[in-house]
Amino acid sequence: GENVEQHPSTLSVQEGDSAVIKCTYSDSASNYFPWYKQELGKRPQLIIDIRSNVGEKKDQRIAVTLNKTAKHFSLHITETQPEDSAVYFCAARVGYSTLTFGKGTMLLVSP
Amino acid sequence: NAGVTQTPKFQVLKTGQSMTLQCAQDMNHNSMYWYRQDPGMGLRLIYYSASEGTTDKGEVPNGYNVSRLNKREFSLRLESAAPSQTSVYFCASSEQSHGETQYFGPGTRLLVL
Repeated sequence: GENVEQHPSTLSVQEGDSAVIKCTYSDSASNYFPWYKQELGKRPQLIIDIRSNVGEKKDQRIAVTLNKTAKHFSLHITETQPEDSAVYFCAARVGYSTLTFGKGTMLLVSP
Repeated sequence: NAGVTQTPKFQVLKTGQSMTLQCAQDMNHNSMYWYRQDPGMGLRLIYYSASEGTTDKGEVPNGYNVSRLNKREFSLRLESAAPSQTSVYFCASSEQSHGETQYFGPGTRLLVL
């Protein structure tokens, strides 16, 4: 089955800095790559996603890039703010199957 | 719309006891999922229901059973709880089985002693 690895497990940045979280996947047939944000004690929520026919997608301060050749995708957050502090999960889907999630990255943004 | 709701929010069980976690969604979604979340392990799929009347095993189904009661409700049952089942359980739903946005419930925190 699909395997998704996520790095780093913890990331600390200063407010205003950029943050990058990387994920790799194993199945070249994966075609959909969402990112979820989970604030402390809350439920995961989708923040951005990308499909395999797109190389990059942006939404205000967040962006996701996909490199199909290398089988990796990344989340980029610019101008980080304290409210960006959360656990971020990447995921991948093979064909029309279910999502496989990475183990998560705890992002801490210090004022 | 309440979205996805789960009950209970928190439960303590003794080893060997049974319980059912309830999940309901009011978004008319076809697909529903049960995940468990453990520290450092991400979200792991236990069971899912692609549509009303179907259920399938996920990555970690052992020790659990599910019932898709109707289109709105999807329950998770622990027949004989074990300490290894201490976790936070999330229910989620999506419009289709390959539907891309999954909407999560608030979670159930389960402690098995």
